[in-house]
Amino acid sequence: EDQVTQSPEALRLQEGESSSLNCSYTVSGLRGLFWYRQDPGKGPEFLFTLYSAGEEKEKERLKATLTKKESFLHITAPKPEDSATYLCAGFLDSNYQLIWGAGTKLIIKP
Amino acid sequence: EAGVTQFPSHSVIEKGQTVTLRCDPISGHDNLYWYRRVMGKEIKFLLHFVKESKQDESGMPNNRFLAERTGGTYSTLKVQPAELEDSGVYFCASSPRDRGYEKLFFGSGTQLSVL
Repeated sequence: EDQVTQSPEALRLQEGESSSLNCSYTVSGLRGLFWYRQDPGKGPEFLFTLYSAGEEKEKERLKATLTKKESFLHITAPKPEDSATYLCAGFLDSNYQLIWGAGTKLIIKP
Repeated sequence: EAGVTQFPSHSVIEKGQTVTLRCDPISGHDNLYWYRRVMGKEIKFLLHFVKESKQDESGMPNNRFLAERTGGTYSTLKVQPAELEDSGVYFCASSPRDRGYEKLFFGSGTQLSVL
């Protein structure tokens, strides 16, 4: 069965303390992997799309990387405004469906 | 540019009642998707429209759910009759026709509570 698993479920960091979030996947025919950010009461907001192993993308304090089995979202020197739930989702070669992980709730304390 | 708009933002109904959710996609976006997140679970795909046509409705849970997209603009998702397990957040997303899978724009969702 196609599956996307995120870890940890929740992560509390001090402001400035760098860390990484993990997204592992077992999806046949994976075309690419998305990272989204979701704030309370809002819908997911697009961050990155990764297509092939070895690919990296950056945006401000975030960097996403992809291997053949997992993706990492690295956050460098985070600020309180980076607090959110981070979601990853795989999309298939055959259709437009997204297969979502359960998310990592990130809390950055000042 | 206006984003994806969903309403109502919250709906509380009793089991057996009917509820209709509405989604207004970004103007010009041919692709429209419905997703649902049940408490404690992952977001799950419900269906995909390309303009007014249903491209994929394999995620619709049962025939109590009916989605329409008249004229290829806004979409409605009707649940009739609602059951307790239908509670959750219903998200709508849209994307442009070309390479529409690359980046989806989501609305803020409708929180549906069935009592």
